[in-house]
Amino acid sequence: GQNIDQPTEMTATEGAIVQINCTYQTSGFNGLFWYQQHAGEAPTFLSYNVLDGLEEKGRFSSFLSRSKGYSYLLLKELQMKDSASYLCAVTDSNYQLIWGAGTKLIIKP
Amino acid sequence: DTEVTQTPKHLVMGMTNKKSLKCEQHMGHRAMYWYKQKAKKPPELMFVYSYEKLSINESVPSRFSPECPNSSLLNLHLHALQPEDSALYLCASSQALEGIYEQYFGPGTRLTVT
Repeated sequence: GQNIDQPTEMTATEGAIVQINCTYQTSGFNGLFWYQQHAGEAPTFLSYNVLDGLEEKGRFSSFLSRSKGYSYLLLKELQMKDSASYLCAVTDSNYQLIWGAGTKLIIKP
Repeated sequence: DTEVTQTPKHLVMGMTNKKSLKCEQHMGHRAMYWYKQKAKKPPELMFVYSYEKLSINESVPSRFSPECPNSSLLNLHLHALQPEDSALYLCASSQALEGIYEQYFGPGTRLTVT
């Protein structure tokens, strides 16, 4: 079966660093995506990983280990506007996106 | 232009109404998607069009009918909906269906069925 797990909710402090983990078991793997979604809005693309390792994009980084079926999204210098849900999604062997349930990130002053 | 537009933003309809949702992109993307999203849940894939042909229908009830008039437009026709169909309907597009391409989402249509 297809399964993607991520924590339901996390809380962090403004200015700090937070790591959101994602583990997956899917029928095939062609890439992993991270999306950000503010309440009531559409998801916006943050990053993707195809090969093992770290991809850095400004304050956001994403890591992938295909052998472990594991990824994380690292957010640095947290700002209040980073309060949102973060969705992990895997492209399976049919190039379909399998979505995790999302992690709601709450940033406190 | 990296924008996907959707109209209307909000829609309230009765169970006997017929309405349509519209989606447009001008990025030259050849894959377009309809998703349904309930509160606090991830997007749920409904339909995928690739090169204007329906490629994937995720066993969606026939009261939802997709249409792709051309490579830039995607419609979702709604008829005889149920209250449980109330949700955020998202349109997305990507460069192609096969390959590692990010999906660009429109702002969504908030649908309420009364």
